[in-house]
Amino acid sequence: ETGVTQSPTHLIKTRGQQVTLRCSSQSGHNTVSWYQQALGQGPQFIFQYYREEENGRGNFPPRFSGLQFPNYSSELNVNALELDDSALYLCASSLGTSGRSSYNEQFFGPGTRLTVL
Amino acid sequence: AQSVSQHNHHVILSEAASLELGCNYSYGGTVNLFWYVQYPGQHLQLLLKYFSGDPLVKGIKGFEAEFIKSKFSFNLRKPSVQWSDTAEYFCAVIYNQGGKLIFGQGTELSVKP
Repeated sequence: ETGVTQSPTHLIKTRGQQVTLRCSSQSGHNTVSWYQQALGQGPQFIFQYYREEENGRGNFPPRFSGLQFPNYSSELNVNALELDDSALYLCASSLGTSGRSSYNEQFFGPGTRLTVL
Repeated sequence: AQSVSQHNHHVILSEAASLELGCNYSYGGTVNLFWYVQYPGQHLQLLLKYFSGDPLVKGIKGFEAEFIKSKFSFNLRKPSVQWSDTAEYFCAVIYNQGGKLIFGQGTELSVKP
């Protein structure tokens, strides 16, 4: 089985630009969660998608948005980038049922390192 | 507010020393508890988890953790560390069967050969 993959690995953007990060979930998984990990901090939950619907959101502004596709891959979009958006963005996939995936292990990808100048 | 606190930011040990990393979580309902590890250059991996039952759980690579409900704690232990245990360790909690993991700030473990 293939693991969680993310692209690109690294990305440099300037303030005010928009960025799209991509995640391919592990085979058989239908739930994707996105996390932001700032330097020296633990990951912070951004949002989760279950079967193409948003299934929970953390304390992030609306300029952070996402999509999940029929093949359960996912995108994270960030508009109007700010310097504080510089971080490692992690995607995790899991197998959820009825909208709740808490009992199923979340498998993490390697992350995308975003630098905003 | 739901939160997780890890007591130590950086721990330095010699090989064969015993390890205990502290983790406390705030009250917020029922909890599922996790320890993740991130080895240098690798992605987050699950070490162990607690959902219910025996409060002493065993994970991979000789790690174990004990859930003490009265203390809101879930400390990670290993009797004898190896150089290969050098990594960052994260405690995480899911509250009330929700889908989001709430992570602590992490503890960097350095093991000297």
